[in-house]
Amino acid sequence: SAVISQKPSRDICQRGTSLTIQCQVDSQVTMMFWYRQQPGQSLTLIATANQGSEATYESGFVIDKFPISRPNLTFSTLTVSNMSPEDSSIYLCSVTPGGATQYFGPGTRLLVL
Amino acid sequence: DQQVKQNSPSLSVQEGRISILNCDYTNSMFDYFLWYKKYPAEGPTFLISISSIKDKNEDGRFTVFLNKSAKHLSLHIVPSQPGDSAVYFCAARYKWGSNYKLTFGKGTLLTVNP
Repeated sequence: SAVISQKPSRDICQRGTSLTIQCQVDSQVTMMFWYRQQPGQSLTLIATANQGSEATYESGFVIDKFPISRPNLTFSTLTVSNMSPEDSSIYLCSVTPGGATQYFGPGTRLLVL
Repeated sequence: DQQVKQNSPSLSVQEGRISILNCDYTNSMFDYFLWYKKYPAEGPTFLISISSIKDKNEDGRFTVFLNKSAKHLSLHIVPSQPGDSAVYFCAARYKWGSNYKLTFGKGTLLTVNP
């Protein structure tokens, strides 16, 4: 398994601003994933971040809106840029340390006013 | 196009009885299926998984059954406890290039009444 922490745990932001979410893992992992869970919805994959390469974004998500950094094998950041109320969601990072199981962080609850 | 479907948004069960959560999928290329439990204000917690080559996997009170011909899986919780009250997500793994990704159902809210 893996122990994952996220900062901040929650935030309230004004529209038009940006927020950077940090994800720290207790072990080295090749791939990290960023998800969004909008109210009442399922988890939707935003992008996959491999260390040393550009993140790969899913359909409907773009780098300008959700830039991702992956400076080493235990850390990643996701920035939500130029926020609007529609960006209000829970943002989750996850890792696959080995095998088929993905382990998730506690999430960042974002409310955009 | 939702490839993993959980058709019951909610389920209510009495403590001590069996909880059965269902999940249907459409993609035959999924090779692993996973169940996660999520409490409010927390991230999803991995519960149990099953390979597509198996039809049953058991871990304590939790058992997952896979019916490949019907493209259906179910999670059984016996006996159910009030602490099991949470949202349960079914997820399926597929290969994308050299990586694997998960796709999730919309979740089922389980309420276990004392």
